[in-house]
Amino acid sequence: SQQGEEDPQALSIQEGENATMNCSYKTSINNLQWYRQNSGRGLVHLILIRSNEREKHSGRLRVTLDTSKKSSSLLITASRAADTASYFCAEGNQFYFGTGTSLTVIP
Amino acid sequence: DAMVIQNPRYQVTQFGKPVTLSCSQTLNHNVMYWYQQKSSQAPKLLFHYYDKDFNNEADTPDNFQSRRPNTSFCFLDIRSPGLGDAAMYLCATSREVAGGSVNTEAFFGQGTRLTVV
Repeated sequence: SQQGEEDPQALSIQEGENATMNCSYKTSINNLQWYRQNSGRGLVHLILIRSNEREKHSGRLRVTLDTSKKSSSLLITASRAADTASYFCAEGNQFYFGTGTSLTVIP
Repeated sequence: DAMVIQNPRYQVTQFGKPVTLSCSQTLNHNVMYWYQQKSSQAPKLLFHYYDKDFNNEADTPDNFQSRRPNTSFCFLDIRSPGLGDAAMYLCATSREVAGGSVNTEAFFGQGTRLTVV
């Protein structure tokens, strides 16, 4: 199977809280990327972390990478209702996507 | 400005009737991908092109074919659609760098939702 796994599969939080999603990937990577997908739409790139990086920030996003465990996490701080979407990690040059986390932020 | 354009957004086809989905890009990226995404699932890579080099995923059914006549356009052909092929089909592009060892981020189109009746 192409897919890595993400957990949780679904996450529901109140606006203003932080949301954390985890990703386990399968291959040796040059980088790992996170994408967001609003319902019924295409995916949008959020952030890329290279294999020699351990942590990266972009606005309210914080990504960590542990290559020894083949895992990554995405933290969204101070969540907003507009953050409601599905979030996927992607590994490899072919962008194999993990199973995804469906995030609901309640206003 | 739309950079990866998929047409149509919605496609209804009859069971067994060949259908073609199209994708165009204005990014001049050398890599193009086709994904299938079923409801509440992750996108599943069907195949991709590095320039004109076609790379098929091992588990992509023979029913799915692709053509890339030039850098800008890529087509997904479903030769005999079955009910199980109803899904969102996503096209994406990226740019290969560093001699092929690294690809930049992927840019996605809005997808074509295929219904098989």
